[in-house]
Amino acid sequence: SQQGEEDPQALSIQEGENATMNCSYKTSINNLQWYRQNSGRGLVHLILIRSNEREKHSGRLRVTLDTSKKSSSLLITASRAADTASYFCATDAGADSSYKLIFGSGTRLLVRP
Amino acid sequence: DTAVSQTPKYLVTQMGNDKSIKCEQNLGHDTMYWYKQDSKKFLKIMFSYNNKELIINETVPNRFSPKSPDKAHLNLHINSLELGDSAVYFCASSQDFGANVLTFGAGSRLTVL
Repeated sequence: SQQGEEDPQALSIQEGENATMNCSYKTSINNLQWYRQNSGRGLVHLILIRSNEREKHSGRLRVTLDTSKKSSSLLITASRAADTASYFCATDAGADSSYKLIFGSGTRLLVRP
Repeated sequence: DTAVSQTPKYLVTQMGNDKSIKCEQNLGHDTMYWYKQDSKKFLKIMFSYNNKELIINETVPNRFSPKSPDKAHLNLHINSLELGDSAVYFCASSQDFGANVLTFGAGSRLTVL
């Protein structure tokens, strides 16, 4: 069954604006990851946040994790046209299934020049 | 280049045919995966192999048969193709079982007519 669900399904912003995407999941996790997929390409790992972390930064990316609400957000600051892509959150299925990474259906981000 | 490479990138075939997709990784990873991405971009795990041993089989029809001749290769053979098999199939690898930061191939788009 689907573990993570992203919200919104699609987002259109102007270059320079910030983009925020949210992910909700159902069961306990060891970590949560965000991936980017450019059109016609494979997914690329962006950032991993562990269940005992609340916030993590990588360049223009900021990820938060709220395990009490079973949710995470990905913030892209000062967006660029090159950030246009689909963004997926992925969670392991918890302590017994940490080898299985389950993806949501993604948020399609369009950054208008 | 270190990468996960899969062939072919595009595959168009008739219903009822048998086809194979090959995947190779030169990252020295122990674990390899097959994921299926449907038309709604939902990414679902199909199989995982760790050091040539099958560790995940996600209730995939037995028309799908993965084969791992060595830990650097994971091929996917599909018998008696059906219309519903049309999708993009992604191969991925991770350093080891449980490390689960995935490196993806570029995908193989299968169209069944």
